[in-house]
Amino acid sequence: KQEVTQIPAALSVPEGENLVLNCSFTDSAIYNLQWFRQDPGKGLTSLLLIQSSQREQTSGRLNASLDKSSGRSTLYIAASQPGDSATYLCAVVIIQGAQKLVFGQGTRLTINP
Amino acid sequence: NAGVMQNPRHLVRRRGQEARLRCSPMKGHSHVYWYRQLPEEGLKFMVYLQKENIIDESGMPKERFSAEFPKEGPSILRIQQVVRGDSAAYFCASSLGSGSNQPQHFGDGTRLSIL
Repeated sequence: KQEVTQIPAALSVPEGENLVLNCSFTDSAIYNLQWFRQDPGKGLTSLLLIQSSQREQTSGRLNASLDKSSGRSTLYIAASQPGDSATYLCAVVIIQGAQKLVFGQGTRLTINP
Repeated sequence: NAGVMQNPRHLVRRRGQEARLRCSPMKGHSHVYWYRQLPEEGLKFMVYLQKENIIDESGMPKERFSAEFPKEGPSILRIQQVVRGDSAAYFCASSLGSGSNQPQHFGDGTRLSIL
């Protein structure tokens, strides 16, 4: 059974710092991995999607890496801003009859001005 | 181009009533997924539908829950005889296809509260 774990559960850093969020998964048989952002009371915004054949994806100040063999992904946020404060969710896509997202519990990020 | 639309945003029901949650996928998307986020827990897959077909309902509770995605109109998640434990945020997602390079796009969710 695929399980996704995110560490740390919460992180608070001063504005301007670079930071890394971690995600690990137990079964390397994934089809892709997505990073999402969730603001309080809101839905999920897709940030980056890494296909299983890829090693990383970049979008603006965000860079996500994927190491399938070790079951790990990281989300790197450069030059953090208060507007980056949100919960960041990692999800792996597995195919069990249908395409399903298996989510981690999330990392609650606070950027202090 | 409108995103995934869910309504209502908030729904309050008393124990024993029925709850109906609606989801309109993004334009052109024919794949719909429902997820549930219980308080202090991660999102869990419930059901995957294509137009008029339930493809995978392995995450749905066996009783009281049902889902449909008719040829015309939104997808509906229906919960009968609601209980306090049904209180959660229910999210709908849609995708253009089921391939590994097709991301799922999420709505803002319906927050269901059971009194």
